[in-house]
Amino acid sequence: GQNIDQPTEMTATEGAIVQINCTYQTSGFNGLFWYQQHAGEAPTFLSYNVLDGLEEKGRFSSFLSRSKGYSYLLLKELQMKDSASYLCASMDSNYQLIWGAGTKLIIKP
Amino acid sequence: ETGVTQTPRHLVMGMTNKKSLKCEQHLGHNAMYWYKQSAKKPLELMFVYNFKEQTENNSVPSRFSPECPNSSHLFLHLHTLQPEDSALYLCASSHLDGSGANVLTFGAGSRLTVL
Repeated sequence: GQNIDQPTEMTATEGAIVQINCTYQTSGFNGLFWYQQHAGEAPTFLSYNVLDGLEEKGRFSSFLSRSKGYSYLLLKELQMKDSASYLCASMDSNYQLIWGAGTKLIIKP
Repeated sequence: ETGVTQTPRHLVMGMTNKKSLKCEQHLGHNAMYWYKQSAKKPLELMFVYNFKEQTENNSVPSRFSPECPNSSHLFLHLHTLQPEDSALYLCASSHLDGSGANVLTFGAGSRLTVL
């Protein structure tokens, strides 16, 4: 079967670092996506990993291990505006996205 | 604005009503999607149109009827819905060329409440 697992909710402090994990099991694999969704808004694309390793993009980094079926999103120097849901999605052999339920990140002052 | 516009943003309807959701994209993308988003559940793909041709229909009940008149517009026609159909309906578009990353651009969604 196809499955994406990520924590339901996480809490972190402004200025700190947080790591959101995602494990996936899909029919074929063509890459791993992270999206950010603020309440009442559209999900927006954050990152795409298809090769093993870490991709850094400003305060956000995304890591992929294909052999372990594992990814994480790392957010540094947290700001209040980072409070949002973070959606993990794996792209299967048909280039369709299999989505996790999302991780709601709460940032406290 | 993301380049994908959905209307209406909010809709309340009775089970016997007929309504439609509209989506428009100005990004030159060739694929458009309807997703259902329910609280604490993964996004559920409902329909995919690639070059105006429907390529995916994930066993969606017939009370949901999609229409794609051209590559920029997508509709979701609703009739005799059930209360469990209450959810956020997201439209998305992408440029599908078979080369790899299929990055979706989403609209802000239409929040549907069925009474």
